[in-house]
Amino acid sequence: DAGVTQTPRHEVAEKGQTIILKCEPVSGHNDLFWYRQTKIQGLELLSYFRSKSLMEDGGAFKDRFKAEMLNSSFSTLKIQPTEPKDSAVYLCASSPDRANTEVFFGKGTRLTVV
Amino acid sequence: GEQVEQRPPHLSVREGDSAVIICTYTDPNSYYFFWYKQEPGAGLQLLMKVFSSTEINEGQGFTVLLNKKDKQLSLNLTAAHPGDSAVYFCAVNPAYQGGRALIFGTGTTVSVSP
Repeated sequence: DAGVTQTPRHEVAEKGQTIILKCEPVSGHNDLFWYRQTKIQGLELLSYFRSKSLMEDGGAFKDRFKAEMLNSSFSTLKIQPTEPKDSAVYLCASSPDRANTEVFFGKGTRLTVV
Repeated sequence: GEQVEQRPPHLSVREGDSAVIICTYTDPNSYYFFWYKQEPGAGLQLLMKVFSSTEINEGQGFTVLLNKKDKQLSLNLTAAHPGDSAVYFCAVNPAYQGGRALIFGTGTTVSVSP
C-alpha cells in the first residue's frame, strides 16, 4: 500500500523562478495538507483540502503560494516567484478521517532557492 | 486560536537514560493530541495519539501523559537508545468535529549517545 508520494525530493531554483511541487495522497484519503518545515518555525500550514475543497490556508502564504487539488489523487503546490526565504522542506500529508486522527506524511521536498 | 509551545528544543541523553519533552497548548476545547517522530530524510511518523478521555498511554519505550488541567502533553522516552535519535513533534487537533488542520509544536531534536 503506497504512502504519500512527493516529487521531486529535491529542487533547486533561482530567485524569481516558478516551481511546482507534486503530491499523491494515500489512495482513498479525502483530506490533504501542505506544510512548510523550517528549523526556526517548525511546521507551518500552507493549505488544507477536504474532498478537493479548500478548508484552511495559512494566511501568511497567500500571495506567492498556491495549492490545488486537480483530482482526489493529485495535488500541486506552486510557488511564484520564488525567494531565498522560501528555502525549506515542503511536506504533504493526507488523512482518511474527518477528525484527522490519522495523518500520514510524505518524505517531503527540500527546496533551495539561490 | 490554538497555540502550541514545545520544550526543550534540543535534548542530549546517554543510552539508558530517560528524556522528557513537554508541550503546552492554550485551547481547553482541543480534543486530539499526537506525538510524531521524524528521522533524517524521512517524513513524520505517528508515535502515539491521545484523546481527551485518555490520560496515560504507553508505547514501545515511551510513555505519553495528557494533563488537561494544566493543558500539557508530555512524551517520556524511557531507557533511551540510539534508535530514538530523531526530531519529535507534538501536534494538536483544535476541532472536535474535524475540519481543522493539526497545529504542531516547533520540535525537539533528541540525540542519544552510547
